[in-house]
Order: sequence, then C-alpha cells, then structure tokens
Amino acid sequence: AQKITQTQPGMFVQEKEAVTLDCTYDTSDQSYGLFWYKQPSSGEMIFLIYQGSYDEQNATEGRYSLNFQKARKSANLVISASQLGDSAMYFCAMRERYGGSQGNLIFGKGTKLSVKP
Amino acid sequence: NAGVTQTPKFQVLKTGQSMTLQCAQDMNHNSMYWYRQDPGMGLRLIYYSASEGTTDKGEVPNGYNVSRLNKREFSLRLESAAPSQTSVYFCASSVDRGLYNEQFFGPGTRLTVL
Repeated sequence: AQKITQTQPGMFVQEKEAVTLDCTYDTSDQSYGLFWYKQPSSGEMIFLIYQGSYDEQNATEGRYSLNFQKARKSANLVISASQLGDSAMYFCAMRERYGGSQGNLIFGKGTKLSVKP
Repeated sequence: NAGVTQTPKFQVLKTGQSMTLQCAQDMNHNSMYWYRQDPGMGLRLIYYSASEGTTDKGEVPNGYNVSRLNKREFSLRLESAAPSQTSVYFCASSVDRGLYNEQFFGPGTRLTVL
C-alpha cells in the first residue's frame, strides 16, 4: 500500500483564488512528520511547510497552511491567494519515527498545479 | 553559503559506461541522501548516509554505489549504466535524522542513458 497518496495528478486554479492540494498518508506510528515541497519547472525542490503528528495547531507559513486531520490521516496543503509563480509540482512527504521507512522521507507522486491568469 | 551543489547538471551516457555524480554541502549537515525522480513516480531514495563513515540502502539501491567521502561530500556511482537509470538525480542533506528534518536539495542532475 502506498504510504503517501496524492490523488490529484493535475489541478487548475484561477489567480488570486485559494486552492487545496490533497494528501493522505498511511502509518501505524504515533510519532511522524509531514512535509510539503514545491518543485517549479526549473527543477529545484523547495521546502514549504512542516506538521508534526503531535502539533495541536495546523502549521502556517505565509500563504501556505496545512489542514491536518489526524483521524482521517490527511495533510492537505492550502495555498491562499494563488499567484502565477505558484504553478509547479507539489509533493507531500512523510517521515515516521519507527516505521519501515527507517526514518527516511517518503514522497507522494505529486500534484501539478497550474495557476491561470 | 552555496547550500547543496551537484555536478554535473546534465550527462548523457551509453549503456555500460560508468560515471560518478558528485554532491557537496556546506551547511555542516550530518545526513545526506541520494534520490531519483522519474515521471509520475515522485522521489525515491537510493542511498543515504546518516553520518560520516556510514551509508545505507534506500528503496531503490540496485545498480548504484555511494561513498561518503567526508562530512561535506557524498557521491553516487553508476558502475555500468542502463537505460532504466535514465532519471533526474537529487542529492539532499539535513542536520540529522530527527523527526523534524527539513531536507535541503541540490539542483539535480539530469542523466540520460542511451
């Protein structure tokens, strides 16, 4: 079974609107971390936001927020007020403390976001 | 600080040729990683090094070897390249392997094996 599932291969959003990118995860660990990375067309991987499994509040970083629903095992990324520069691939990733991934990051397959002017 | 640097940026090999991808970081990080990225597959871990002098296999290690030369440098070697190794390769580093560990990525190496 996939550890990280991103069900939206591609999405479109109108400039200045908000968009939610879905991510569900599978782990039996109680202690884990969730990450979102952005990969623009230039290819580099840019860290956006982190959520720990014990964090009571949803993480926020500027226009990025993470909608963390632990019981549903979902960690959706919300981008507010989309900009043209947000067009990119977005990857959700997880690190488990004790799981079979040996503490390494496990990445989803990504969602390609396109922002329309 | 340059962060994580990788050389070369692009490479074309013929089947059976060998090459080494170089990676260096100047952030004094203990842990370093090599990933490959294929279309529709996300990033998959090839090898990692938790600290200087140690290396371990990741999800897809077959056909690769690594060397943690020192704390700064972590190289990936393809001894006999195959077309299936055509991919984009990323090196990354992190302070350590704690739960919250932002990984910093290099710019990637685009490798084509003919």
